[in-house]
This record gives sequence, structure tokens and C-alpha cells, in this order.
Amino acid sequence: KAGVTQTPRYLIKTRGQQVTLSCSPISGHRSVSWYQQTPGQGLQFLFEYFSETQRNKGNFPGRFSGRQFSNSRSEMNVSTLELGDSALYLCASRVGLAGSSYNEQFFGPGTRLTVL
Amino acid sequence: GENVEQHPSTLSVQEGDSAVIKCTYSDSASNYFPWYKQELGKRPQLIIDIRSNVGEKKDQRIAVTLNKTAKHFSLHITETQPEDSAVYFCAARPYGGSQGNLIFGKGTKLSVKP
Repeated sequence: KAGVTQTPRYLIKTRGQQVTLSCSPISGHRSVSWYQQTPGQGLQFLFEYFSETQRNKGNFPGRFSGRQFSNSRSEMNVSTLELGDSALYLCASRVGLAGSSYNEQFFGPGTRLTVL
Repeated sequence: GENVEQHPSTLSVQEGDSAVIKCTYSDSASNYFPWYKQELGKRPQLIIDIRSNVGEKKDQRIAVTLNKTAKHFSLHITETQPEDSAVYFCAARPYGGSQGNLIFGKGTKLSVKP
């Protein structure tokens, strides 16, 4: 079974621009979560989508948004980029909400975003 | 909300020795505790997890223990090998909501010297 994939793998943007990142979950997985990884803050939860609906949200400003499509693929968007948005953005998929307490999350390779 | 503390931040051991990484969590309702290994430039990989109704779980050279009363859990790696060198993250899943979020510790950089 193919793993979680993310595109693009690397991205360079300038302040003020916006960016869209894409994530394709493992086949059969319906939940997609997004995380931001930085050296200073570590791994921080952004949001989770299931059945095209945002189900959970972390403490990030409204510039960070996402969506999920009917095939479970997900995108996240960051508008008005700031230097501090430079990070590795990871998505993770799991089977779904049913019995969700113990669903393992599997991570994609990440998108390395650099904001200049 | 949930908060996870992880210690130590760096750990250096000789090949063949054991390594122990400890984490504490604040939300007593958290019920799932995975450990991830991240090698340089790669994605975090789930190596072992434990549910709140279990006290210990082993998988070959890796074991995790959970003390719900004290709200801490630990990763134990025995007979360490150079390929165990990586950053290890503990995490806790708070109960409630969609439960799609994991709260991570800050990570432990493990170096295994041959």
C-alpha cells in the first residue's frame, strides 16, 4: 500500500505571498491531520479533516486554512506569509473517526517551506 | 489543554547500551501514547504505541511503559545500534473531539556511538 504523499517537497516564497500544499493519504484512510515542525517549537498540530469537514483545530492564526476533497486528499493554505512560517509541514493520515482513540497516524515526507 | 514534557533533549550512548527517554503529560484523560522516530531529513515513523489501559508493551528491542497515576511514560531501547541514532518524539492524544490531534514532546536526539 502506498504511503502518505505530499507535494511539493520544497517551496520558496517571499513574505506576503500565499502558498498551497497538498497531501494524499494512504488508500482507505479518511482522516488527514496537518502539523508544523520547526526547530524551536517542535511538532505542532494545525488541524484535522474528515469527510471534507474540519474536525479539530490547533492554535494557529486564521491565515492557516485547509480543506479536504471527496477522495480524502487534503490541501492546506497559508496566506500573507511571514518569515516565521518557514517550517516543515507534515500531514498524517489515519483510518478515521470510528474507534478513533487508537488509530495510528502515518506521516508523509513533508513540504519544506522557506519564506524569504 | 494537554502538555507533554520530554527528557532528555539529547542522549549519547555506546553501542550495546540501553537508552531511556521519559515523557510526562498533563491531561489525565489522554488515552493513547505513540512514539515516533525521525531520522535526519525523513518523516516521523511510528515505532511503538501504548493505550491507557495497558501498562507495558514490547516489540523486540523496544519497550514502552505507562504510569497513569504519575502521568508519565517511557521508551526503553535495549542493545542499541548505530542505526537507532535519530530524534525520538513522544506524543499524547487528548480524549475528546475528533481525537485527530497528537500533542508532541520536543524530542530527544539519540546518538549511538559505535
